[in-house]
Amino acid sequence: GQQLNQSPQSMFIQEGEDVSMNCTSSSIFNTWLWYKQDPGEGPVLLIALYKAGELTSNGRLTAQFGITRKDSFLNISASIPSDVGIYFCAGGGETSGSRLTFGEGTQLTVNP
Amino acid sequence: DAMVIQNPRYQVTQFGKPVTLSCSQTLNHNVMYWYQQKSSQAPKLLFHYYDKDFNNEADTPDNFQSRRPNTSFCFLDIRSPGLGDAAMYLCATSRGSGSPSSYEQYFGPGTRLTVT
Repeated sequence: GQQLNQSPQSMFIQEGEDVSMNCTSSSIFNTWLWYKQDPGEGPVLLIALYKAGELTSNGRLTAQFGITRKDSFLNISASIPSDVGIYFCAGGGETSGSRLTFGEGTQLTVNP
Repeated sequence: DAMVIQNPRYQVTQFGKPVTLSCSQTLNHNVMYWYQQKSSQAPKLLFHYYDKDFNNEADTPDNFQSRRPNTSFCFLDIRSPGLGDAAMYLCATSRGSGSPSSYEQYFGPGTRLTVT
């Protein structure tokens, strides 16, 4: 089946620093999604990408859909303590129907 | 506000005692999903409904069943919970319309299941 490799697994940064995480796959996806999950809560959709090469921002968040359709990255600028959480990438493809393939997550810790 | 609601947020059940988790949505989405998530792992899809069509994942144990009586509600039944079924159970919805945005899944807050 399709698999996503998400890296890094965890990050420990100081408040104010920029953060970058990415997902790669051996399969092509039509859609890349980025979610954030706070402890004890469900994942919240941050950014959705629909076209290869697309670069989309949401406040301090920027994500790109790789030109090969096999990768995506998420950047967070000027991190703040409330950015703490687990970030998941997810890909949707023609062969997966309504399903998403999730990355394993990046645990972000921000030190004040 | 349109949303996905899960009840209860916390559920404790005894080993082997059937339990039902509930999900409702006000988004009027066609697709509803049930995921199992264990400690900081990625959500694992158990099954989903596209309208009334039930789609089971190949590795979902028979112990897990689901019902979708109407567009708004979906239930997860665990017939005989084992200690290994303790997890966060997430419900999600999507439009399923065939457009690119149909892949966007919107999650509820989850139900934390404890098995004693």
